[in-house]
Amino acid sequence: SQQGEEDPQALSIQEGENATMNCSYKTSINNLQWYRQNSGRGLVHLILIRSNEREKHSGRLRVTLDTSKKSSSLLITASRAADTASYFCATSGSARQLTFGSGTQLTVLP
Amino acid sequence: KAGVTQTPRYLIKTRGQQVTLSCSPISGHRSVSWYQQTPGQGLQFLFEYFSETQRNKGNFPGRFSGRQFSNSRSEMNVSTLELGDSALYLCASSSDRDGNTIYFGEGSWLTVV
Repeated sequence: SQQGEEDPQALSIQEGENATMNCSYKTSINNLQWYRQNSGRGLVHLILIRSNEREKHSGRLRVTLDTSKKSSSLLITASRAADTASYFCATSGSARQLTFGSGTQLTVLP
Repeated sequence: KAGVTQTPRYLIKTRGQQVTLSCSPISGHRSVSWYQQTPGQGLQFLFEYFSETQRNKGNFPGRFSGRQFSNSRSEMNVSTLELGDSALYLCASSSDRDGNTIYFGEGSWLTVV
C-alpha cells in the first residue's frame, strides 16, 4: 500500500524555473529518500534525509523534512529538460523496506 | 562499480505460466529486495533477502516467491501468472554499512497475455 501522497501529481514548468514537489507520509520513519524515474526505466537514488535532519542539499536539489507534519519537499533549482521524469518519495522504518508515495510527474519544457 | 543488474529486461508470458527473474546486486551488497510497479498500485514491496534468508515480506500471494544465493544474487519467481501480474519488477540492493541507501536496477518488464 502507498505510504502517502505526493503533490502535485503532475507539474509542468519552463527550463530554468524551480520545481517543488511535496510528499506526505503516515507512520513514523527512520529516513526518507527521493528517487527519480525516467519513463520505463529503473529508480535513480537522489537524496536521503534522516528523521533527525530538517534540510539537506545535493547539487541543485534541496530536501526538507518536517516530522511533526509528516511531510517532505523536494526542490529542484534551475530545472533542465533532462530533469523531466517521475519523482518518488520513499520512507523506511527499522526494516530495509521502502514505502513509496504515488509520485509526481515533472515535465520541463525547453 | 557496476550497478544492480536485472535480467531479462523484457518478457512476455502467457496466463498460467510461471516466470523467473534474476538480479545481481552491487558488489558487496548482501541485502536484496524486490518491488512491483503497476499503474494502479504504484510501487509495492515484495520481499527482502539478506544472507540467503528472507527477512521481510510484503502483502503478496504465495505465488510470488524468491530466493538468494550465497553470492547474494537473487531470483524471484511468479507461478500461475495472471493478467494482473503484468508490471515492472524492480530489484534493489543495499550495503551492510549504509543500509539506508537503497539502489535500484533497471527492472524487468513482464507482460502477461
